Amino acid sequence: AQSVTQPDIHITVSEGASLELRCNYSYGATPYLFWYVQSPGQGLQLLLKYFSGDTLVQGIKGFEAEFKRSQSSFNLRKPSVHWSDAAEYFCAVAPLELGSWGKLQFGAGTQVVVTP
Amino acid sequence: GAVVSQHPSRVICKSGTSVKIECRSLDFQATTMFWYRQFPKQSLMLMATSNEGSKATYEQGVEKDKFLINHASLTLSTLTVTSAHPEDSSFYICSALIQADTQYFGPGTRLTVL
Repeated sequence: AQSVTQPDIHITVSEGASLELRCNYSYGATPYLFWYVQSPGQGLQLLLKYFSGDTLVQGIKGFEAEFKRSQSSFNLRKPSVHWSDAAEYFCAVAPLELGSWGKLQFGAGTQVVVTP
Repeated sequence: GAVVSQHPSRVICKSGTSVKIECRSLDFQATTMFWYRQFPKQSLMLMATSNEGSKATYEQGVEKDKFLINHASLTLSTLTVTSAHPEDSSFYICSALIQADTQYFGPGTRLTVL
């Protein structure tokens, strides 16, 4: 069965420290891969996405993610977090098949808390 | 970036009534929109795909007669929760697809059924 796993439900990180959020997927073939951030009162915002090419993807707000085919992983990183990075982060996948574009399957999410 | 709005942002209704939620793409046209449901502290679950000019397609386990979807124009999709019950209380989120790998999300609608 297809699945998206975010092993960490909750992460607390100090401001200025590095952050890594894990995401593993189980799919028949490499799907589209995404990271979204959800802040209270705001819609989900796309941080970055991967389909093919360079396995290190740069996104907005200083985030990057690395696709590792051998590990079926797409981990999100940020070298130095800011207090404004406190939010819920979702990894998501979408199939490549025509007619299924955009049908996102989300992981359970990781709540990031940033301490002073 | 593109903007998607939802109305209302929150609604409280009595059990047995129907509630309509609107999803609008404000500065682009979208032939395809999606409706998701998010329970507290949980992930988003895709409910259905809304296609302009045709019937919506529902994910397995989603009652199409309970959640009526209409995509009457290229900028508007509506979700009507019919005969709502407390278990329908949730956060409903729509998105609009621009390209195969790009969709923009609305801010969500909090539905509370008493």
